[in-house]
Amino acid sequence: AQSVTQPDIHITVSEGASLELRCNYSYGATPYLFWYVQSPGQGLQLLLKYFSGDTLVQGIKGFEAEFKRSQSSFNLRKPSVHWSDAAEYFCAVGVFTGNQFYFGTGTSLTVIP
Amino acid sequence: GAGVSQSPRYKVAKRGQDVALRCDPISGHVSLFWYQQALGQGPEFLTYFQNEAQLDKSGLPSDRFFAERPEGSVSTLKIQRTQQEDSAVYLCASSLTIAGVVRGPFFGPGTRLTVL
Repeated sequence: AQSVTQPDIHITVSEGASLELRCNYSYGATPYLFWYVQSPGQGLQLLLKYFSGDTLVQGIKGFEAEFKRSQSSFNLRKPSVHWSDAAEYFCAVGVFTGNQFYFGTGTSLTVIP
Repeated sequence: GAGVSQSPRYKVAKRGQDVALRCDPISGHVSLFWYQQALGQGPEFLTYFQNEAQLDKSGLPSDRFFAERPEGSVSTLKIQRTQQEDSAVYLCASSLTIAGVVRGPFFGPGTRLTVL
């Protein structure tokens, strides 16, 4: 069965520091991979996605993610975090043959001055 | 263009009442998804439409949940005889595949349902 694991429930970083949020998936083939951000009381905003090709994907708001097939990972990174980045981040696996998305349980990001 | 919209944004229902949640996907998007997000959890898949056809409803938690998309655009998620455990945010998303490239899925703001 497909699954998505986000090992870090909560992360705190200082403003200006670098960020890496971890995501591991379990699936028999290379799935579609997504990162979404959710601010309190808001819907999910798509940050970036990977379907194929270049394994380093650039997204909005200065985020990037790297697909590593050997590690079944799709970690999200940002070189310098801003206070406005504080939110909940969800990794998702898209299995379009079944037209389903499987979300991780999310990582809550706190940014301290 | 406009994104995915959902209405109402907030709904309070007494236990046992029926509710209807509406989703307006991005115009032209063929695929439409409903998700349920409990407090502090990731979204859980409920059902999927391709145009007006409901191709997957495996995530609907009980037969009290029913979704439709009769004309292949607007979708309604109906919950009959609501229970307290139905309290959650209900998210709708839409996507479009062109030449094998998926645009989206893009999510709406959600409807927060509270069952008293």
